[in-house]
Amino acid sequence: ETGVTQSPTHLIKTRGQQVTLRCSSQSGHNTVSWYQQALGQGPQFIFQYYREEENGRGNFPPRFSGLQFPNYSSELNVNALELDDSALYLCASGRGADNEQFFGPGTRLTVL
Amino acid sequence: EDKVVQSPLSLVVHEGDTVTLNCSYEVTNFRSLLWYKQEKKAPTFLFMLTSSGIEKKSGRLSSILDKKELFSILNITATQTGDSAVYLCAVLINTDKLIFGTGTRLQVFP
Repeated sequence: ETGVTQSPTHLIKTRGQQVTLRCSSQSGHNTVSWYQQALGQGPQFIFQYYREEENGRGNFPPRFSGLQFPNYSSELNVNALELDDSALYLCASGRGADNEQFFGPGTRLTVL
Repeated sequence: EDKVVQSPLSLVVHEGDTVTLNCSYEVTNFRSLLWYKQEKKAPTFLFMLTSSGIEKKSGRLSSILDKKELFSILNITATQTGDSAVYLCAVLINTDKLIFGTGTRLQVFP
């Protein structure tokens, strides 16, 4: 157990819909990062939040957006879902630079 | 473009065998290299390596980093069926951005 939780566990949506995934960080951690892991691939960095501000972004379009709240919980929002958005979405929290990140169990998103 | 390459992609061994997993990288702003084990969903942290040549050990697992040749290895001795998993190598760049390889799938049979 890493102390990082995510909800929901599984989600099925259809193309064009919008989805919100949630993450609750481990106590004392001030950064939250989101990753997309397609089947058979390593996780791909989406973005990171630090003190409620976006602090770096990977190669994902603007329809992927996020929020971090004062209690260090976080949301990932994806608009206009596409079939290729089907993946495991992982969040990871950490104490800042040069510290390991601890991953939550992920949300499995299926887009039909 | 930053990239992390792992080899082999897949490995099948018998219990008791020793395995070596490889990770090479080409990144800007290297901070550290991390190894994770992923069984079903959440990658679980194994090691963080920052300095060259210093081996880190945890039980039957060990890992070392070579910052000159830009690679790391993860060794598992006396493998057990519980070691079956995908092993992910990731490089930490900038502030907390992890660049992952595609992973090595290890299957250990009794």
